[in-house]
Amino acid sequence: NAGVTQTPKFQVLKTGQSMTLQCAQDMNHEYMSWYRQDPGMGLRLIHYSVGAGITDQGEVPNGYNVSRSTTEDFPLRLLSAAPSQTSVYFCASSREGTNQPQHFGDGTRLSIL
Amino acid sequence: AQSVAQPEDQVNVAEGNPLTVKCTYSVSGNPYLFWYVQYPNRGLQFLLKYITGDNLVKGSYGFEAEFNKSQTSFHLKKPSALVSDSALYFCAVRRNPTDSWGKLQFGAGTQVVVTP
Repeated sequence: NAGVTQTPKFQVLKTGQSMTLQCAQDMNHEYMSWYRQDPGMGLRLIHYSVGAGITDQGEVPNGYNVSRSTTEDFPLRLLSAAPSQTSVYFCASSREGTNQPQHFGDGTRLSIL
Repeated sequence: AQSVAQPEDQVNVAEGNPLTVKCTYSVSGNPYLFWYVQYPNRGLQFLLKYITGDNLVKGSYGFEAEFNKSQTSFHLKKPSALVSDSALYFCAVRRNPTDSWGKLQFGAGTQVVVTP
């Protein structure tokens, strides 16, 4: 099984550019989420989804959009990149239930110049 | 308010010695607590969780954690550390008992360095 697949692995953008980070999972998980990881701050939740067509904001949603048209895919869109969005982004998925462990992708390392 | 704290940025231990990584939490109600490990350039991997029941939880790779309600702690332990245990460890807690699935709060992480 591929698990959670994130593309691209690395990306460099200029301030003001837009881009989409892709996330796909093949485990038929209902729940998916996006986090950003910054040094000394752990992981912070950006957006999450509890099923196709349902999304909600996390802790740091500003500057990001998401959609969930299928169970498998949960793309994250940066509308107008800013240097403060330089980070490592992780997508995760899990089965339904608040006590279920999350499965993480290997991350996208994004630099905004 | 901080929901989960990992007081040590780094823990150094010699191979074969016991390893402890500390975590304290501050949520109301019954917390759901998790430990994850991150190897370089990889995503987080689930180690273990406490939901209810026995305070001593056993997980992957020989790790275990003890839930202590009076001290609001959930320390990760391993009796005999390996060099391959060197990684970044994260504690996580569901912040609010009424929060939906997505809202886990992660600690800042503790770097574990195991020397031969």
